[in-house]
Amino acid sequence: LAKTTQPISMDSYEGQEVNITCSHNNIATNDYITWYQQFPSQGPRFIIQGYKTKVTNEVASLFIPADRKSSTLSLPRVSLSDTAVYYCLGPQGAGSYQLTFGKGTKLSVIP
Amino acid sequence: EAGVAQSPRYKIIEKRQSVAFWCNPISGHATLYWYQQILGQGPKLLIQFQNNGVVDDSQLPKDRFSAERLKGVDSTLKIQPAKLEDSAVYLCASSLSPSAGGPHEQYFGPGTRLTVT
Repeated sequence: LAKTTQPISMDSYEGQEVNITCSHNNIATNDYITWYQQFPSQGPRFIIQGYKTKVTNEVASLFIPADRKSSTLSLPRVSLSDTAVYYCLGPQGAGSYQLTFGKGTKLSVIP
Repeated sequence: EAGVAQSPRYKIIEKRQSVAFWCNPISGHATLYWYQQILGQGPKLLIQFQNNGVVDDSQLPKDRFSAERLKGVDSTLKIQPAKLEDSAVYLCASSLSPSAGGPHEQYFGPGTRLTVT
């Protein structure tokens, strides 16, 4: 099981960049790291996925160092609507495609 | 593109009663998942289907929970009899057939909030 560890909560002011770091072990060479976002009363929503270096989309950036023992989700200029729980997910096992959710990081954006 | 549909959105039952949840995945998605999310925790996978076959049901409490996916499209999850600790949100998700360890995105429905009294 690829266990992930991330902070339980974070606070940020509007307009700041937020970086949430996740530690993960037992990641196979070709395994991807995936981040999901969940708002209250909604199902999780895919944000970004990658397995090395840097990936960027219209929502966030994902940085994965060469040793792949951690990854950092970067949210540029957060707004109040970014208040949510963010989950860092590794595969359930080396080479597996099942997702195992931890408790996630509750991000609170403050005006 | 229509998302994953679930019904009902809310359900309140008494313990020992039975309940069923329905899920309609995104068209063309061969893989379907049911998750249980207890308040304050992340979703926990209960069962995974690939078309109409079960891939993994290792975390499904089979003495009271059952699920089926007839014709490889819609799916139902049933609890009989319900216990107080079954109070949770039940999420359905679907995806294209994943490759082992490769890029993989699951699309979640809004969930069904079950309250057992």
